[in-house]
Amino acid sequence: DTAVSQTPKYLVTQMGNDKSIKCEQNLGHDTMYWYKQDSKKFLKIMFSYNNKELIINETVPNRFSPKSPDKAHLNLHINSLELGDSAVYFCASSQPGQGMYEQYFGPGTRLTVT
Amino acid sequence: GDSVTQMEGPVTLSEEAFLTINCTYTATGYPSLFWYVQYPGEGLQLLLKATKADDKGSNKGFEATYRKETTSFHLEKGSVQVSDSAVYFCALKGYGGSQGNLIFGKGTKLSVKP
Repeated sequence: DTAVSQTPKYLVTQMGNDKSIKCEQNLGHDTMYWYKQDSKKFLKIMFSYNNKELIINETVPNRFSPKSPDKAHLNLHINSLELGDSAVYFCASSQPGQGMYEQYFGPGTRLTVT
Repeated sequence: GDSVTQMEGPVTLSEEAFLTINCTYTATGYPSLFWYVQYPGEGLQLLLKATKADDKGSNKGFEATYRKETTSFHLEKGSVQVSDSAVYFCALKGYGGSQGNLIFGKGTKLSVKP
């Protein structure tokens, strides 16, 4: 069984469109994250949710809005897409309180904005 | 703030060569340290970890020792294989308001030639 899954795997869209990426984890974790990986492979945290509550919101444009309908899901909605949004977006989850805070990553969603 | 610096790649080695990827960190307190690996087209996977000074993490022939005196967590493997070709990320667990937040280095791409 896939621990952390994301859909879609690839997303090609035009500037100005609105799109969503979905993430689900079946690990029973309380905390979920969104990361952005740019073309140079640099990874940066975008958001973190703990039990459906926003914990971290790094310097991300308001066009990005995470939504957590329940603690197993953390979706990322992006409005008015721009060329600079092209990247690979990774969802991850972890279970605080287990000491190591090991994070489990999804396979990534490659977003291309044309 | 907390940060991770790792050697820039790409690193190209022949099969059975010795591998070292340097990683140093800046952090308050005593962070937990991690190495993640990203195989082509996949998400990140935890490779190994260490929680305190002098701890040695090891997995799949890879090792890294938490050196507080030099604030380092260098990754080593005695004999690399073609299947080790991937991007390797050093990371630390952040503190303060960043509950469970991981701070990543920029990644080092390793290519192993037969």
